[in-house]
Amino acid sequence: GAVVSQHPSWVICKSGTSVKIECRSLDFQATTMFWYRQFPKQSLMLMATSNEGSKATYEQGVEKDKFLINHASLTLSTLTVTSAHPEDSSFYICSASGFRQGTDTQYFGPGTRLTVL
Amino acid sequence: RKEVEQDPGPFNVPEGATVAFNCTYSNSASQSFFWYRQDCRKEPKLLMSVYSSGNEDGRFTAQLNRASQYISLLIRDSKLSDSATYLCVVNPSGAGSYQLTFGKGTKLSVIP
Repeated sequence: GAVVSQHPSWVICKSGTSVKIECRSLDFQATTMFWYRQFPKQSLMLMATSNEGSKATYEQGVEKDKFLINHASLTLSTLTVTSAHPEDSSFYICSASGFRQGTDTQYFGPGTRLTVL
Repeated sequence: RKEVEQDPGPFNVPEGATVAFNCTYSNSASQSFFWYRQDCRKEPKLLMSVYSSGNEDGRFTAQLNRASQYISLLIRDSKLSDSATYLCVVNPSGAGSYQLTFGKGTKLSVIP
């Protein structure tokens, strides 16, 4: 299967700081990338969908000014959590999909565990 | 009704047992269905797609009943390594859309 990486794998930060998470597709061109969040014992919740070169589409209830998404190339998308607070502590996972992989197949990154103190 | 609902679990089964998970989805227009596996503190990994005719991959069998909007996963001869959370996943929009909707997952523990 295709390889998707995320960096960092975990991060601890102080309340009020911003954190940037990178998602890279290493061996294919990802026309679409997704950002999910998962709280303990909960399902993955889609936060936003981004297509390369265009603005991200955010799910209802997700603040676009707080969770900034950039998908400037076919291999890289970034999620920046601005002014992070303890309630933003979660497991953030990206996934990527491309035409070659088929319309339904998403390949997930290993996730980033964010802890906001 | 939630978009994708699964057995709450947890399922604790002995090695070698057969275990079945069920899932229902609310959007009758859904076209694509999957089972993913998620290990603790890890990302989900695709286990198998689910086709209308049913499909089998080794010890794993998936079935889809469109009329009842019901998906199942059967695991035969359970191994310790099967211990994980199994996620029922639906693409509610069908071909051309990449979005997936995840169920909450069913936790399986296979006991020696």
